[in-house]
Formats: sequence, structure tokens, C-alpha cells
Amino acid sequence: AQSVTQPDIHITVSEGASLELRCNYSYGATPYLFWYVQSPGQGLQLLLKYFSGDTLVQGIKGFEAEFKRSQSSFNLRKPSVHWSDAAEYFCAVRGTGKLIFGQGTTLQVKP
Amino acid sequence: KAGVTQTPRYLIKTRGQQVTLSCSPISGHRSVSWYQQTPGQGLQFLFEYFSETQRNKGNFPGRFSGRQFSNSRSEMNVSTLELGDSALYLCASSLGTSQSYNEQFFGPGTRLTVL
Repeated sequence: AQSVTQPDIHITVSEGASLELRCNYSYGATPYLFWYVQSPGQGLQLLLKYFSGDTLVQGIKGFEAEFKRSQSSFNLRKPSVHWSDAAEYFCAVRGTGKLIFGQGTTLQVKP
Repeated sequence: KAGVTQTPRYLIKTRGQQVTLSCSPISGHRSVSWYQQTPGQGLQFLFEYFSETQRNKGNFPGRFSGRQFSNSRSEMNVSTLELGDSALYLCASSLGTSQSYNEQFFGPGTRLTVL
């Protein structure tokens, strides 16, 4: 079955520290993968996407993600977190006719 | 270019009532998808419309229905509301269907509370 797992429900990092949010997927064919961010009371904003080609993809707001087929992972990274990055982050895979989302990771940023 | 708009933003209903939510996609986008977001179940796909036709449907009861108009605007309807229908309903638009390479752009959502 197609699925996405985000192992970390909640992560706290200090401002200026590096960040890595984990995402594992289960999908039979070549996956199309996405990371979205959701601020409180808002919809989802696309950070980046992977369709094919270079396995390291760059996104908005200084985020990047690396696709690793051997590990079925698509982890999101940022070298230096800003207080405004505090939000909920969702990894998603394009399934049959829909996006399949992980449960989300809430990021808290300490000053 | 204006983003995806959803109306109303907040809605309070009582059990047994029915509700209609509206979504206006980004200009030029022909596909609209709906998702339900709850703390317990996360983000779950409801249905997708493309050129006024339902292309895909999620695993929701028949009380949940939708439609798309010729201008690509979409509505979803929930009849006989239950407490468990309380959720944030998100609409997303894209140029093509979900089977294409086009990304989905999400609206701010409609927060439905059922009392």
C-alpha cells in the first residue's frame, strides 16, 4: 500500500541550529514526493518537490531535501533555522489520483 | 495572480444539518481536489475534479459530495452532519489532474465545527 511515515511528531531546535525532518515512503513505482509547510490557521505551502533527476532538490526558504531510493526516504533539511520556520511540516507522495500525506512533524524553534 | 480562495473561512453547524463549502481555484487551473484535515486522522483525500468531472474519490461516506462548475470553481457538500465531521477542509488546485506533473496549490481552508 502507498504510505508516508514521518517518524517524528514533534521536534524542537534552537534558532540558528541545523534541521532535518525525516520522511519515509512506501510506493511501488518511481515516487513523486513533496514537502509542504503549514502555519497555524493556514493552508499548505509547497516547499519543494521531487519528480526525477537530481536527487538533491532545493526549495523555498532555504530548504532542501534528498531523495534516497535505497532507503525509501526523502528527508528535509535546513542549515540554519529561523524562528519563523516554526510550523507543521508534511511530507507527501503522489498516489493514484491523490496526494498521500504523512502525519506531520511540528517544529518548535527555541530562541 | 490570486491564490486559491475558500469560503467561508469558518463555519459552525449542528448535528444533522448540511453544509456547502466553496473553492475558487487559481485562474487557469482546471483541477480541484478536496482534503479533510483532523488531528486524529491527519490529511485525507476526499475527491478530485477536472473539467467538471469527478476523477477520483477517497474513502468517505456518501454524505460527502462535490461538484465542479464550468469556470472550475468547486463546491463540496456534507449532509447530515456528524460531530466527527468537524475538521479543516482544504481545497487545492492544479493545472492538470493529479496524474500529471503539476503541483497542487492549497487554499487557506474552511474550519467547520459541528456542535
